[in-house]
Amino acid sequence: GDSVTQMEGPVTLSEEAFLTINCTYTATGYPSLFWYVQYPGEGLQLLLKATKADDKGSNKGFEATYRKETTSFHLEKGSVQVSDSAVYFCALRLSGGYQKVTFGTGTKLQVIP
Amino acid sequence: EAGVTQFPSHSVIEKGQTVTLRCDPISGHDNLYWYRRVMGKEIKFLLHFVKESKQDESGMPNNRFLAERTGGTYSTLKVQPAELEDSGVYFCASNSLAPRAGEVDEQYFGPGTRLTVT
Repeated sequence: GDSVTQMEGPVTLSEEAFLTINCTYTATGYPSLFWYVQYPGEGLQLLLKATKADDKGSNKGFEATYRKETTSFHLEKGSVQVSDSAVYFCALRLSGGYQKVTFGTGTKLQVIP
Repeated sequence: EAGVTQFPSHSVIEKGQTVTLRCDPISGHDNLYWYRRVMGKEIKFLLHFVKESKQDESGMPNNRFLAERTGGTYSTLKVQPAELEDSGVYFCASNSLAPRAGEVDEQYFGPGTRLTVT
C-alpha cells in the first residue's frame, strides 16, 4: 500500500539555522505530494504541495522538490525562525481531490532563540 | 468564510463510555473526511463521505466506531464503548471538487478533537 516515511524528531535548531526534514514515499501511480504543518494549539495547514515530478512547492520560505527517481520530497528552509516551531507532516494523495491523504508520522521542530 | 470546525476540542472519558465528536465542514463542501492520529504516530484515514453517503470507510478500525452525516452537512463520529487505544487526535477535513474562487480542491483540515480515554 501507499506509505510515507519521514525523519524522526524532535529536531532542535537555533534561529537562522538551515532546516532539512527528509521524506520518502511509496505509492502506486503518480501521487501529489504535500507538506502540512500543525502549529501549537492549531489545526493542520497545508504548507506546500507538488503535483508532478520535478515540481517545486514553496511557501513561507520553505521549499520541497518532487523527486520521482528517489521517491523523495524533502522539506528545506534556509533560515528558520522561532515561529517555525511546529509539527511537520509529509503526505501524499493519489490523483483526484476526493482521494484520501496518506501521512507520515510527523516531525516536531523546535527553534530556539 | 469559516473553516472546518470541530467540537469538542478536548474530551476525557472513561473506558466503556460513549463519546460523540462533531465536525462542521466548510459550507458547500460535499466531501468530508475523518482521520485520526494515535499516540504520536502517523495520521490515518478513517472514512470519506460524499454528501450523506459513505464513499470509503476502509479505515474504520472496528464496529465500535459509527460515523454519520445526515443531510449531508455536519458529521458525527461516535465511539461506543471507548477503549484506551482510541485515545488520540481526531481530525476532520472537507473539500469541494468544484472549488470557489480563492479555494483549491485540496482538503481543508479542522483543528482536531483530542480524545483521552482513561
